Order: sequence, then structure tokens, then C-alpha cells
Amino acid sequence: AQTVTQSQPEMSVQEAETVTLSCTYDTSENNYYLFWYKQPPSRQMILVIRQEAYKQQNATENRFSVNFQKAAKSFSLKISDSQLGDTAMYFCAFMKHQGAQKLVFGQGTRLTINP
Amino acid sequence: ETGVTQSPTHLIKTRGQQVTLRCSSQSGHNTVSWYQQALGQGPQFIFQYYREEENGRGNFPPRFSGLQFPNYSSELNVNALELDDSALYLCASSPAPMYNEQFFGPGTRLTVL
Repeated sequence: AQTVTQSQPEMSVQEAETVTLSCTYDTSENNYYLFWYKQPPSRQMILVIRQEAYKQQNATENRFSVNFQKAAKSFSLKISDSQLGDTAMYFCAFMKHQGAQKLVFGQGTRLTINP
Repeated sequence: ETGVTQSPTHLIKTRGQQVTLRCSSQSGHNTVSWYQQALGQGPQFIFQYYREEENGRGNFPPRFSGLQFPNYSSELNVNALELDDSALYLCASSPAPMYNEQFFGPGTRLTVL
């Protein structure tokens, strides 16, 4: 079975700063996907960024980038130039490449961006 | 393009009752997954439906059951409600079972008293 661990329950930074959220996972699969989802107070889960395990290049989406270390089973999210709207719960998630499309989530990190 | 919608938004039930939650998938999506998110936790996979058939199930008892209709909308039914069933129930749809992104609805908050 796969597990996802987020060791930072809460983080807080000032607006415009850079923040890094940590995630580790455990799996015996070789091909899989990793995700970061954002859940604001509105509750709707929004995809922030996706990484395919067979791609060595780290994914980037505007201010969001990941540091994917496959051997270490580590998948951190870096948010640059943080904005007030980035305040939310952030979940790291894993999905196998084959089989039922089931997301395995970590416990989340509550990120607060202060003005 | 209409996104994933869920109803109702909030629901209060008492222990032992039965509840039905509803989800309309995004246009063009034939796969629906349901997740339970307890307070302060990450979502946990309940099951997935593809073309009206169950296509995978998480570690939930049989009193959690589902349906998918020909228009790909879906229902989650929970019988004999327990206090621990209090949670946010999220529905997510995707264009196909193997598609590597799920699109989430806003959830239904269920409180069991």
C-alpha cells in the first residue's frame, strides 16, 4: 500500500516570501503520479501541480515548482512570491500509473500568508 | 463548461439513519470517485464508478454504497450512520478511469449527531 506523509502541519510566511512544503511517500511502484492540491476555505480541492514519476525534469506552473527526488521518495512544493490568495490547506497526493484512479493523500499542511 | 456539483451543501442526520449524497460530473466525464475527508485529515478514497460499474473500492464497510447513472451523475449512500461518519464528502470526476487528473466538487458536509 502507498502512504503519503506531510510532516509540517502548519506554516506561516509573509507576503512575497518563498515557502517550501515537504512531502514524502512510500511505494513499490515504479510508474506513478504525484500531485499538490490546494483546498481553500471554500473547500473545493484545486490542482496546483502534477509530476509524472518517469519524467526527471521537475514540474513548474508559474510561481509553483516542485523538487522531485525519486530515489529519496520526496516531493516538495515551492511557492515563490507568495500571495494572500495562497492561504489554504495544501495536500500532497499519489496515484498509481495503472489500476483504479485512486488518489492517496497526505494529512495536509495549513499555509497562512500574512500581509 | 459546468464543473462538478454536489448536493446538498450541508446535512445533519442522527445515528442509525441513512443518507444519500449526490454528484453531477463535469461535462464529458464518465468516471466519478468519492472521498471522505474527516476534520483535519486528508481525503480517503471510498470508491470509483465508471460507466455505471464500481471500478475500485477503498477500505470502507459495505454500508457505504454507490450508484452511477447513464448521464454519469452519481450517488453515495451510507446506511446505519455512525458518529465517525461525520465528514466532508468529496466527489471528483475525470474523462476516463486512467486519466491522471481528477476534478473535485465543493463537497457535502455531513454531521451525524
